[in-house]
Amino acid sequence: KAGVTQTPRYLIKTRGQQVTLSCSPISGHRSVSWYQQTPGQGLQFLFEYFSETQRNKGNFPGRFSGRQFSNSRSEMNVSTLELGDSALYLCASSSPRVGESARLRDTQYFGPGTRLTVL
Amino acid sequence: SQQGEEDPQALSIQEGENATMNCSYKTSINNLQWYRQNSGRGLVHLILIRSNEREKHSGRLRVTLDTSKKSSSLLITASRAADTASYFCATDAYSGAGSYQLTFGKGTKLSVIP
Repeated sequence: KAGVTQTPRYLIKTRGQQVTLSCSPISGHRSVSWYQQTPGQGLQFLFEYFSETQRNKGNFPGRFSGRQFSNSRSEMNVSTLELGDSALYLCASSSPRVGESARLRDTQYFGPGTRLTVL
Repeated sequence: SQQGEEDPQALSIQEGENATMNCSYKTSINNLQWYRQNSGRGLVHLILIRSNEREKHSGRLRVTLDTSKKSSSLLITASRAADTASYFCATDAYSGAGSYQLTFGKGTKLSVIP
């Protein structure tokens, strides 16, 4: 099976611009999560999508948004970029649990990440 | 906020030695997972231990979980230079406002010297 792919791998933007990152999960995986990794804050959870719906959300401002398509591919968007948004953005897919078990997070399969630099 | 906190932050050992990393957390968890990250790349899942398990093995890896102390340890035996990486623990738990998430610690940077 092909792994999780993320595009682009590297991106340079300037303050005030917006950016869209893309993630294709492992075939058959319907849950996609996004994380931001910075040297100062470490790995922080952004949001999780399942069946085109946001299922869980971390503590990030509304400038960070995402969506999931019917083929499970996901995009995240950051509007009005700030210098502090410079980070490695990681996407992970998993075989989701549903119903009562939806509260359980199983093994996450990570993509290589998109390195975003905001100048 | 960080739920899992790894200790030590950095560890340097000789090839062949064992490496032990610890993780402490604050709230009740569903499971605890360990991941490895090579410099600036994606994370690789190593092992998952459920809240009702106490010990788990996978190859040269041994993970323990003590829910009474809210702590876990990862032991890598007979280390190799290729084990050089950052290791993260992640706790699966309720994070409030109806949301569940994996919360990662800041990691332990392991250097294995040939």
